Amino acid sequence: EDKVVQSPLSLVVHEGDTVTLNCSYEVTNFRSLLWYKQEKKAPTFLFMLTSSGIEKKSGRLSSILDKKELFSILNITATQTGDSAVYLCAVDKAAGNKLTFGGGTRVLVKP
Amino acid sequence: GAVVSQHPSWVICKSGTSVKIECRSLDFQATTMFWYRQFPKQSLMLMATSNEGSKATYEQGVEKDKFLINHASLTLSTLTVTSAHPEDSSFYICSARDGSSGIETQYFGPGTRLLVL
Repeated sequence: EDKVVQSPLSLVVHEGDTVTLNCSYEVTNFRSLLWYKQEKKAPTFLFMLTSSGIEKKSGRLSSILDKKELFSILNITATQTGDSAVYLCAVDKAAGNKLTFGGGTRVLVKP
Repeated sequence: GAVVSQHPSWVICKSGTSVKIECRSLDFQATTMFWYRQFPKQSLMLMATSNEGSKATYEQGVEKDKFLINHASLTLSTLTVTSAHPEDSSFYICSARDGSSGIETQYFGPGTRLLVL
């Protein structure tokens, strides 16, 4: 059975801190791994990763994939209160076109 | 990025009534759309995969007669919650696949909050 596990479940940091979120997976026919940010509404797309070792970067957010060890990390540097959200990791498979989501990591950034 | 809209954004209805939720891809064509359900503080649960011009594929445990899905065009899918009950109250989110760039990515609509009284 396909599995996507995120850790930690939640964390609380102060503005300016750096956070690292983890996502490990066990799926057959892996195609890509996606990161989403969810605040009060539906998830918004952050990154899609398909190749190992290539960092994707957008502002203070960055992410990288390790297809050998089957995990990805999402880094947020110089955190701001607006980074408070649930971060979701999902794996896309080559067959079936379905995403399998992890349970999410709830991040709270305090001023 | 691609834009997906949902309507309505929230709805309150009486028990026993039916509610229709629309999901539209605004600037791309989506042969496949997905319907998810999310309970408070939980992750997204896939309900069904909606394919344009064919029947939806439902996940195990999802009643197809209760959650009717229609994907009539490449930009519109609808989810109808029939004979809604309070336990159907939830956050319903659709997504659509955009493969126009050659790399398929799934984009989400803003979601619909349903409250059944």
